[in-house]
Amino acid sequence: GQSLEQPSEVTAVEGAIVQINCTYQTSGFYGLSWYQQHDGGAPTFLSYNALDGLEETGRFSSFLSRSDSYGYLLLQELQMKDSASYFCAVPNQGGKLIFGQGTELSVKP
Amino acid sequence: NAGVTQTPKFRILKIGQSMTLQCTQDMNHNYMYWYRQDPGMGLKLIYYSVGAGITDKGEVPNGYNVSRSTTEDFPLRLELAAPSQTSVYFCASTLTSGNEQFFGPGTRLTVL
Repeated sequence: GQSLEQPSEVTAVEGAIVQINCTYQTSGFYGLSWYQQHDGGAPTFLSYNALDGLEETGRFSSFLSRSDSYGYLLLQELQMKDSASYFCAVPNQGGKLIFGQGTELSVKP
Repeated sequence: NAGVTQTPKFRILKIGQSMTLQCTQDMNHNYMYWYRQDPGMGLKLIYYSVGAGITDKGEVPNGYNVSRSTTEDFPLRLELAAPSQTSVYFCASTLTSGNEQFFGPGTRLTVL
């Protein structure tokens, strides 16, 4: 089977840096994705790591270590609008995407 | 491109009623998915399709049915609605497995 674990909530202040961790157990591994979801909205894609290392896109970066079955999403220069839920997800060979339970990020002034 | 569209946005059903949630994408994506999301929880896969005429069950298929007669459309059918089916339903699509999934705006369903 497949399972993902991430913290249920994280709080940080504006301008700070926050890291959201994700550990996974999968029968086959093809990569790790991250999605953002604002309250009441649709999830939107942030990043996908197929290989080990850090991928940077503006203020957001995502890291993967396949040997540790671990990844994280790094958000820099936090803004109030970054308050949202963040989900890690893994695709499997059959075309499914398995999501973690989500981490609710609260950014305080 | 409109992307992924879903109708209706909101619906209230009585126990035992049936309804179809509509999902359409105009990106010529092969893969389409239906998820449900309960308050404060992650997304659970109900059904998915890897192309027209092909569908398969996800994690929580009981009480639902799907069909995929065209590339564009992937309707989700609820038969005999139950309060446990109160949730937000998201449809998504992607070109190939593992790629970015594009989500529709969701349908908020309440069963009373």
